[in-house]
Amino acid sequence: NAGVMQNPRHLVRRRGQEARLRCSPMKGHSHVYWYRQLPEEGLKFMVYLQKENIIDESGMPKERFSAEFPKEGPSILRIQQVVRGDSAAYFCASSQEGAGGEKLFFGSGTQLSVL
Amino acid sequence: DAKTTQPTSMDCAEGRAANLPCNHSTISGNEYVYWYRQIHSQGPQYIIHGLKNNETNEMASLIITEDRKSSTLILPHATLRDTAVYYCIVRSGGGSNYKLTFGKGTLLTVNP
Repeated sequence: NAGVMQNPRHLVRRRGQEARLRCSPMKGHSHVYWYRQLPEEGLKFMVYLQKENIIDESGMPKERFSAEFPKEGPSILRIQQVVRGDSAAYFCASSQEGAGGEKLFFGSGTQLSVL
Repeated sequence: DAKTTQPTSMDCAEGRAANLPCNHSTISGNEYVYWYRQIHSQGPQYIIHGLKNNETNEMASLIITEDRKSSTLILPHATLRDTAVYYCIVRSGGGSNYKLTFGKGTLLTVNP
């Protein structure tokens, strides 16, 4: 009964490169959420997706960031032309019910470091 | 969503009860109190939530005052593995329960 799986665990990129973060939700969950945790700060909501649909991207920067959750395969958070300020821990969560239900199940996160 | 105030840090002896307070004086009638924790280098973990009645599960108990302006999370027998940052979050009962706003939380250190 695997939980939310994120990979890679650590990702190092140079400024200007692209970062791709993957998230496989828990079995039976079709709702995925991405959060970002900047150093010394709390987690902040970025985007909520269902299969093939973006439901709420109000927390995601308008430029360079995109997210998808295809019919087959994991959800992907993509950051183009990374900058040092993108260095953070990115957490994915999933739920069985829509709009988060009663609780979210979080993965262990991807630590992105931009050199 | 209502704001919450938590102490920055607390210590607890292993095997003793850990009582973590949270103030949410501006909470409104349809807002729930949620508790999550984050062990170092891991994602947050749901602990418990409640509206106005006290709640208990296998992990913890949640005591909410009658006026709902504050609550206490109780870990009855703290272990070293309970060392983590504990977040108290207030969320409305309907709609976007996924937009959790995590503050700074309380760093609970359980000492041997």
